[in-house]
Amino acid sequence: NAGVMQNPRHLVRRRGQEARLRCSPMKGHSHVYWYRQLPEEGLKFMVYLQKENIIDESGMPKERFSAEFPKEGPSILRIQQVVRGDSAAYFCASSAGVLTNYGYTFGSGTRLTVV
Amino acid sequence: DAKTTQPNSMESNEEEPVHLPCNHSTISGTDYIHWYRQLPSQGPEYVIHGLTSNVNNRMASLAIAEDRKSSTLILHRATLRDAAVYYCILLISSGSARQLTFGSGTQLTVLP
Repeated sequence: NAGVMQNPRHLVRRRGQEARLRCSPMKGHSHVYWYRQLPEEGLKFMVYLQKENIIDESGMPKERFSAEFPKEGPSILRIQQVVRGDSAAYFCASSAGVLTNYGYTFGSGTRLTVV
Repeated sequence: DAKTTQPNSMESNEEEPVHLPCNHSTISGTDYIHWYRQLPSQGPEYVIHGLTSNVNNRMASLAIAEDRKSSTLILHRATLRDAAVYYCILLISSGSARQLTFGSGTQLTVLP
């Protein structure tokens, strides 16, 4: 029973390149959440998706960031034209339903370094 | 989500119980209390959650005050592997789009 799978674990990009982070939720989970954790800071919510729908993107930066969760395949967090300030750990979580009666299961994260 | 207040850090000795407090004086009747922890270099991990009654699971116990304005996460026998940041989070039960809002949590240090 695999948990939430994120890949790659570590990603190095030069300034101006694109970063694609992948998240496969737990089997049977249809709700996906992305969080970002800057060095020495707390976790900040970015976006909440269900299959083919963005439910809440209130935490997403207005530019360069996008997320999708297609009908087939993993959820993708895409960062275009990366800058040094995008260096952070990006965590994905999934749940079976709306949160009150379910916990989140988090992945191990993708650590993005922009050089 | 309503705000919670936790101590920045706590220490415990190995194999002793640990009581991690959380104040949530603005909690409403339908807010759930969730606890997560984050070990170094790992993603957060669900620990426990509850509404009104005390809850127990294999990881911990959650004691909720009668007025619900505070709660305590109890680790019955701390181990070195319990050293982590512990987050107390309130979650509103109404509405369809909900996500956890993490505060700064309590850094638990377990001493051998």
